[in-house]
Amino acid sequence: SQTIHQWPATLVQPVGSPLSLECTVEGTSNPNLYWYRQAAGRGLQLLFYSVGIGQISSEVPQNLSASRPQDRQFILSSKKLLLSDSGFYLCAWSGRIYPGGFFGQGTRLTVV
Amino acid sequence: AQSVAQPEDQVNVAEGNPLTVKCTYSVSGNPYLFWYVQYPNRGLQFLLKYITGDNLVKGSYGFEAEFNKSQTSFHLKKPSALVSDSALYFCAVRVQLTGGGNKLTFGTGTQLKVEL
Repeated sequence: SQTIHQWPATLVQPVGSPLSLECTVEGTSNPNLYWYRQAAGRGLQLLFYSVGIGQISSEVPQNLSASRPQDRQFILSSKKLLLSDSGFYLCAWSGRIYPGGFFGQGTRLTVV
Repeated sequence: AQSVAQPEDQVNVAEGNPLTVKCTYSVSGNPYLFWYVQYPNRGLQFLLKYITGDNLVKGSYGFEAEFNKSQTSFHLKKPSALVSDSALYFCAVRVQLTGGGNKLTFGTGTQLKVEL
C-alpha cells in the first residue's frame, strides 16, 4: 500500500535561519508531489508541485523553494526564514490511478 | 477558474442527528470532486471522491456525498452524527495544471461541531 512520510512534525526556527522539510512516498512510482501551506488553520494554498524528478513548478512567488532529487522524495527549503513563513505545511501525492491527493501528517513551523 | 465554495464556516449538529456540509463547484467540463477531513494539527484524510457514475458516493466513516449537476453541488452527508466526527471538512476539485499533472483546489473549510 502507498504511504507518505513527512517530517519533522513540529519545528521552531529563528528568523533568518535555513529550512529543510522532507517528504517521501512509498509504494508507488512516478507520483505527482505537492507542497501546500495552511495558514490560520483554514485555507490551503498550493506552493509547489512536481510531475517528475528535477521538475518543479511554483504556484506563488515566495521565500521558499522545492526540490525533487529522487522519484519519491520532495524537499521544501528556505535559505533565510521570515516570520511570515510560519504555518502548517502539508506534503501530498497523487497518481494516475489515484486522482485525488493523499496527504502527510504535516509540519507545524513556527518562525520566531 | 475552477473552484469550490463552502458557504458555511461552521455547522453545529446534535449527536445522532443527520448532518450536511455544503459544497458548490464551478468547473468547466466534468468535475472530479473530493471531500477531506482534518483533525487538529493533522494532515488531511481522504473521505470520498466523485469521478463519474452513480451520483451518490459512499466513503469512509459512514459519510456519503451527492453529486448534483443541475445545482452544481456536492454536499457531504451522514445519517447519524457522532461527537468524534467533529473536525474541519474540506471540499476540493481537481484542476489540470499547465505544466502537466493536476492539483486540488480547496474550499475554505467548514468546522463541524457535534454536541451531545
